[in-house]
Amino acid sequence: AQSVAQPEDQVNVAEGNPLTVKCTYSVSGNPYLFWYVQYPNRGLQFLLKYITGDNLVKGSYGFEAEFNKSQTSFHLKKPSALVSDSALYFCAVIIMDTGRRALTFGSGTRLQVQP
Amino acid sequence: DSGVTQTPKHLITATGQRVTLRCSPRSGDLSVYWYQQSLDQGLQFLIQYYNGEERAKGNILERFSAQQFPDLHSELNLSSLELGDSALYFCASSPTPSGNTIYFGEGSWLTVV
Repeated sequence: AQSVAQPEDQVNVAEGNPLTVKCTYSVSGNPYLFWYVQYPNRGLQFLLKYITGDNLVKGSYGFEAEFNKSQTSFHLKKPSALVSDSALYFCAVIIMDTGRRALTFGSGTRLQVQP
Repeated sequence: DSGVTQTPKHLITATGQRVTLRCSPRSGDLSVYWYQQSLDQGLQFLIQYYNGEERAKGNILERFSAQQFPDLHSELNLSSLELGDSALYFCASSPTPSGNTIYFGEGSWLTVV
């Protein structure tokens, strides 16, 4: 089955340290991969996407993600975490289904940045 | 602010009842998506419309239906509500049917009691 997985329910990191939120995918063909962030009581905000081209994608708020085809991964990274980065992060992939695409989300990873 | 507007923000209703959630997409976006977010199911894709036509269908129950009107706003109708339908319902929009980037509203909280 085509899917995207986030193996960690929660990631804890100290402010100022680098952070990584993991995502792996299982999709036939070329995946379109996305990261979204959800702050408490808010909708999802788009962070970045990979369609094609450079494997390192830069997005909003200093986040970046690296597409790794051999490891089927698309991990979200930031060099220096802020307390305000604490939120729920979702990896997503567009899956072709009889030619009609639907953005399918992982289970989410809660990022907690401690002061 | 994503530009996607959802009403109502909060709704409490009883089991067996019917509710309608409304969504106005971003200006110029022709494609509208509905998602359900619950604690046990995560974020589930329900249905997509593009320029008034149903484009893709996900895990939408038969008790639920949606439509997109000529002015491009969309409504999600939930009927014969059950306790398990309590969730946050998101609408999202994109300019094209491929949905390379979709923008989410802030959701409608539905509580079924």
